[in-house]
This record gives sequence, structure tokens and C-alpha cells, in this order.
Amino acid sequence: EIVLTQSPGTLSLSPGERATLSCRASQSVSNSYLAWYQQKPGQAPRLLIYGATDRATGIPDRFFGSQSGTDFTLTISRLEPEDTAVYFCQQYGTSPRTFGQGTKVEIK
Amino acid sequence: QMHLVESGGGLVKPGGSLRLSCAVSGLTFRDSHMSWIRQTAGKGLEWVSYIGTSDGTIYQADSVKGRFTISRDNAKNSLYLQMNSLRAEDTAVYYCARGSHFFDYWGQGALVTVSS
Repeated sequence: EIVLTQSPGTLSLSPGERATLSCRASQSVSNSYLAWYQQKPGQAPRLLIYGATDRATGIPDRFFGSQSGTDFTLTISRLEPEDTAVYFCQQYGTSPRTFGQGTKVEIK
Repeated sequence: QMHLVESGGGLVKPGGSLRLSCAVSGLTFRDSHMSWIRQTAGKGLEWVSYIGTSDGTIYQADSVKGRFTISRDNAKNSLYLQMNSLRAEDTAVYYCARGSHFFDYWGQGALVTVSS
């Protein structure tokens, strides 16, 4: 199965700054089939990005997904207090679908 | 918008059984591919099982194969997960979610605790 490794574990930034979250796959993810989710405390994950770069319905353009080979990046520009959450990547290019371990974003 | 509500979680002894339900509203359930995903503090998010729309296609994670059974009742707009021979490592929050690739709608989760 494909192992997804996310870094850093925790990101602590100020409002208005840019967050850069990394997700590295242990092997090629076919068709760029990678998604990103946001999970706030006590809530279910919320789909942000699919197909590595496509924003889900209702997701603001502050959230940007990109890819370089087996490295995927979620960039959150102009951080807002509401962006405090854990962010997960997930691949769906092969079975079983697998998730990264998450990056916690804290807003100072 | 799709609304999913899980029920049936609780405390069960090792070797016991539990059945989770997921009531779905808002979108056409019969046309929706559905999955169960679980989350633990230690292992994070883990896809558990998938069921297709009407052709009976089912996939399961190796960790639950032979113990868990996914099913659906399109007439009742409901998804189920029958969990048998439960182990301590099955302790998790279980989410129902729409999708087979990525997951665009999730329930609020049901806590299953396996402990003696």
C-alpha cells in the first residue's frame, strides 16, 4: 500500500501568514489522485482538495494544492483563526485508500 | 447537500459484536458509493470498507476482512457496518462517508470502544 508521510507535524503561524504543508507518497500516485482534508476538533474531516489541485465546492481560493512527482503540497495563504485544524492528505490512486498522519496548524 | 448520521456505537467486550447504522438524507442515496472510515489517536484515519451503488461490489481492508460486513438498504437510505469478533484495536470513531475515491460528505462519527 502507498504510505503518505506528512510534514511538519505541527505548524504555528500568525494570522495573515502563509502555511505550507507537505505530503510525500512512498510511490507514484496514479492520475494525481490525492485529496486534502481539514479536521477541526470534534468534527469530521472536510474535503478541501481532490485531484491534487481541484478545490472542492465552497472551498475558498486561499487553499491551493500542488504536486511535484510524489511530493504534494497544500498551501494556505492569508491564514485566518478559523484555519486552526489538522490537515490530512489521502491517496485514491490505488487500493487500499490511505491517509497521511496529519499536520496540525495552530494560529498564534 | 448530503446529511449523514451514524448510530449504534458503544462499549463492547472483546469478541463481541456491534452494528453501526448510517442514515443518509439530502441527495440520492441509491446513486452514491459509500464507505466506512475509522479514526484513532494512534493510527489516524483508516479506510475500512466500501460498497457500490447497486452491483454488490464490496471492498474491505485486510484488517477487518472476515469480521466486518458492509451493507446498504437503498429503500431506507441507510448504510450499515456489522462488526463481529471485535478486538481492542478496533476501538475508534467510525465515520460513514460518501465516495469510493475521495470522500466529500462525512457523518459526525460513532465511537466504538472494545474493552473488557
